[in-house]
Amino acid sequence: QKEVEQDPGPLSVPEGAIVSLNCTYSNSAFQYFMWYRQYSRKGPELLMYTYSSGNKEDGRFTAQVDKSSKYISLFIRDSQPSDSATYLCATMDQGGSEKLVFGKGTKLTVNP
Amino acid sequence: NAGVTQTPKFQVLKTGQSMTLQCAQDMNHEYMSWYRQDPGMGLRLIHYSVGAGITDQGEVPNGYNVSRSTTEDFPLRLLSAAPSQTSVYFCASSYSTARQPQHFGDGTRLSIL
Repeated sequence: QKEVEQDPGPLSVPEGAIVSLNCTYSNSAFQYFMWYRQYSRKGPELLMYTYSSGNKEDGRFTAQVDKSSKYISLFIRDSQPSDSATYLCATMDQGGSEKLVFGKGTKLTVNP
Repeated sequence: NAGVTQTPKFQVLKTGQSMTLQCAQDMNHEYMSWYRQDPGMGLRLIHYSVGAGITDQGEVPNGYNVSRSTTEDFPLRLLSAAPSQTSVYFCASSYSTARQPQHFGDGTRLSIL
């Protein structure tokens, strides 16, 4: 089993829709959870960062972690064409290898 | 600030050639790392450094060397290029208390013939 599983999509939604992006992970030692956004032919950029379980909100973006089910989500409200990108989830344990493990990414297109 | 700068942006090599991918950051970040990104594989960690003079292996280190003589620079060396090393390479950095990469360069697209 891969340490982090992410549906590659592609996902296509109309402008204004609520987008839900999801990942599952297998290692219960993972404590840090990140979402990166990657535009075409660019490097990833850190979008959201959460520690342990719970929700974190930043503008139109909400990151959610459910450690009991090993499930992480990113919600985008009022999606815009500028949100069209590939979204990568990533996790890391605390005090162990401290190496980041990435999902394969979900490609999102928001249509005007 | 320029952030993380990678050079070159594109490179074509022949099998067996060697080359160095350059990475420089101007944010005084302690932690730097190299990743490769392949279709269907996601980002995989090659090598990382927690400060000048300190490097360690990541998930896929074979065929690559790194050194960290200054805080700013973290070059990646391909010793003898192989077609399996055709990939997009990203350098990343973060400040010392944050292990997760905060800033990525825009990548070097490398083709090995």
